[in-house]
Amino acid sequence: KQEVTQIPAALSVPEGENLVLNCSFTDSAIYNLQWFRQDPGKGLTSLLLIQSSQREQTSGRLNASLDKSSGRSTLYIAASQPGDSATYLCAANAGNMLTFGGGTRLMVKP
Amino acid sequence: NAGVTQTPKFQVLKTGQSMTLQCAQDMNHNSMYWYRQDPGMGLRLIYYSASEGTTDKGEVPNGYNVSRLNKREFSLRLESAAPSQTSVYFCASELQGAGYGYTFGSGTRLTVV
Repeated sequence: KQEVTQIPAALSVPEGENLVLNCSFTDSAIYNLQWFRQDPGKGLTSLLLIQSSQREQTSGRLNASLDKSSGRSTLYIAASQPGDSATYLCAANAGNMLTFGGGTRLMVKP
Repeated sequence: NAGVTQTPKFQVLKTGQSMTLQCAQDMNHNSMYWYRQDPGMGLRLIYYSASEGTTDKGEVPNGYNVSRLNKREFSLRLESAAPSQTSVYFCASELQGAGYGYTFGSGTRLTVV
């Protein structure tokens, strides 16, 4: 059974810092890995999708990497802003099921 | 706007009552999913439908039924609600094999008293 773990569970940083969120998964037989953002009381917004054949994806200040063999993905946020404050979820797709990590709750202080 | 639409957004039920959560997508996706999100438990798959006419159990299907009414719509039914079903329910859809990932609805916040 796929298990996805995210470290740290919570993170508080001053505005402007670059930061890294970590995601690990136990079964490397995945089709892709997806990073989401969730604001309090809201739904999930897709940030980045990395296919199993890819090493990384970039969107603006966000960069996600994938090392399938070691079962790890990282989300890099450059020059963090207070508007980045949210919970970030990674999810591994092994076909017919997206397995989620517990999330990292990020607070960026002005 | 294109996407996944869930209704209702909020609902309070008494124990034993029944209700159906509605979900519709207008992206011509073939696969649809129902998840529940609970504090400390994360998001867990309840049921999914890989294509029109098929449904399968996920990780936590007990107490729920689903119907894939057509390609657009996938409903989740609670026949006899229990307090343990208090949760936030999310519907999602995907065009399998296309490589675009899942799209989620905004959720239904359900409280069973």
